[in-house]
Amino acid sequence: GAGVSQSPSNKVTEKGKDVELRCDPISGHTALYWYRQRLGQGLEFLIYFQGNSAPDKSGLPSDRFSAERTGESVSTLTIQRTQQEDSAVYLCASSLVEVQKLFFGSGTQLSVL
Amino acid sequence: DQQVKQNSPSLSVQEGRISILNCDYTNSMFDYFLWYKKYPAEGPTFLISISSIKDKNEDGRFTVFLNKSAKHLSLHIVPSQPGDSAVYFCAVLPDSGNTPLVFGKGTRLSVIA
Repeated sequence: GAGVSQSPSNKVTEKGKDVELRCDPISGHTALYWYRQRLGQGLEFLIYFQGNSAPDKSGLPSDRFSAERTGESVSTLTIQRTQQEDSAVYLCASSLVEVQKLFFGSGTQLSVL
Repeated sequence: DQQVKQNSPSLSVQEGRISILNCDYTNSMFDYFLWYKKYPAEGPTFLISISSIKDKNEDGRFTVFLNKSAKHLSLHIVPSQPGDSAVYFCAVLPDSGNTPLVFGKGTRLSVIA
């Protein structure tokens, strides 16, 4: 497809389990971002990949969160030992050159029971 | 500490009237300001932006105003249409480098027919 694709669209998990969220950016976009939106909150930056540079991990809330990106392609966000406060919509975005014009996927709704 | 504040969580406007969405920011060094629009179950989409060297940018029914002395940004939609009903996020680009956008909490606009 032409847009940013995220899977799964919904994920329900039990507290303490690990989850993996996937993002396929727009082909050719060198920058990839993960944000999350908790209920009633704004978009919270998590991590940013730009080309071959070291990722900006400054937004990751704890060491239970990690993300990887394969070249300038797919990215996975992993949350280990999920907690109820991890429940949120996790949004992936990519951009070409103009960092301000991010193209977002539809998100993964994560519910931790 | 919120760098971008959208103090109105919701706004209701009649079709055909003007919608005004407001945003305040804390840092006078911010370089670029953007508005994103989000429909339910979709990712945010870029709407309009303005550089810190300008005070107004217009695109069809959408106009963004920047008041640097007041550190205030507003989005005007005129005339408002039912299809404009969505959550609107104000975002800032902290500097001209590859830094992630910082988003506000959003304002839910309802345009009533």
